[in-house]
Amino acid sequence: QQPVQSPQAVILREGEDAVINCSSSKALYSVHWYRQKHGEAPVFLMILLKGGEQKGHDKISASFNEKKQQSSLYLTASQLSYSGTYFCGTEGNTGNQFYFGTGTSLTVIP
Amino acid sequence: NAGVTQTPKFRILKIGQSMTLQCTQDMNHNYMYWYRQDPGMGLKLIYYSVGAGITDKGEVPNGYNVSRSTTEDFPLRLELAAPSQTSVYFCASSRREKLFFGSGTQLSVL
Repeated sequence: QQPVQSPQAVILREGEDAVINCSSSKALYSVHWYRQKHGEAPVFLMILLKGGEQKGHDKISASFNEKKQQSSLYLTASQLSYSGTYFCGTEGNTGNQFYFGTGTSLTVIP
Repeated sequence: NAGVTQTPKFRILKIGQSMTLQCTQDMNHNYMYWYRQDPGMGLKLIYYSVGAGITDKGEVPNGYNVSRSTTEDFPLRLELAAPSQTSVYFCASSRREKLFFGSGTQLSVL
């Protein structure tokens, strides 16, 4: 049930871009993205509800390809504050469970 | 609003002891979840609830029990604690489109 994310970890310099991918072996009906800072709880970034939808939040955006059962998170002109672990999340088969992906650790250095 | 409140924040248990992790939300959310997060790892779903009186197992329910007598409260019970239950536990609630997390409980079983 758990979506798979890639890469597992990435290190960026300030101003560089990154892409985090999330894929599922099961049908995706919606995709959430969360960011977790060290020692803190995950914080909601955005949700994509249908295939082809794209959203943006500051310089962070995401896309959702329902047919390929994939979503990607795009971080543009990264800032130090972007450091953390990013998780995608999706509903289970019945729509009541909620599973998180394997996580991607993002480190932005000066 | 307080959001999602978890207690305690830290706890050390001896092997074989029992305890209850408390979770309360004041947002009138129907959906509530318990996750565990091992160091450097993702979030694993333990149990979830879609409303008062309704609970179901997630990915890793063994060794845990839950109850949901009210909309607000979703306690997680550990019976006969084992070292494998050393983890950070997060409670979350939602109205389907966004999960709100508590600040977590760091549990060590020695």
